[in-house]
Amino acid sequence: DVKVTQSSRYLVKRTGEKVFLECVQDMDHENMFWYRQDPGLGLRLIYFSYDVKMKEKGDIPEGYSVSREKKERFSLILESASTNQTSMYLCASRPQGYTEAFFGQGTRLTVV
Amino acid sequence: QKEVEQNSGPLSVPEGAIASLNCTYSDRGSQSFFWYRQYSGKSPELIMFIYSNGDKEDGRFTAQLNKASQYVSLLIRDSQPSDSATYLCAVSSGSARQLTFGSGTQLTVLP
Repeated sequence: DVKVTQSSRYLVKRTGEKVFLECVQDMDHENMFWYRQDPGLGLRLIYFSYDVKMKEKGDIPEGYSVSREKKERFSLILESASTNQTSMYLCASRPQGYTEAFFGQGTRLTVV
Repeated sequence: QKEVEQNSGPLSVPEGAIASLNCTYSDRGSQSFFWYRQYSGKSPELIMFIYSNGDKEDGRFTAQLNKASQYVSLLIRDSQPSDSATYLCAVSSGSARQLTFGSGTQLTVLP
């Protein structure tokens, strides 16, 4: 069975903290993605990676960075969390080609 | 900026009716088109994908693609209350075939 696992289901952090969201996939997929989802805005792409150590900005990268040191793991980093980063964060992975993306269960992050 | 537009709804249909969900996209270079269903508090799950013009059927679901009009739709026949969810249209393009999502259409099927 396909599995994309995000490290936390719920997270509460303080403004200014450095926050790490971890995502692991066990399908040997080349491509991994981080999205955030807010009411009325759908899913918006933050960053993606198509290979180890390769990363590209998505539509809303400001305030975020990512790390992909191993193929199976893709980390999203909030360098200095702010309240406007309170959101649902979804990780996804996808093999090469025209096939579906598999999503993790999501991390609901609240920044107070 | 690539855009994917959906009617935000909410859309309500009676049980047994046909639900019609629509989506337009701006990037003519888009290659594949996806419909995801998302229940409240859950992750999106794929219903169908389509990449050729025309219709594609899978059970009660039919996806329709018209690349000339940059239009994708999803028809749900014999709608059931369990179909009540938010439906997300997604379009694939770019180096990693990254998905751009619409904001979703909330569907309620009334018993």
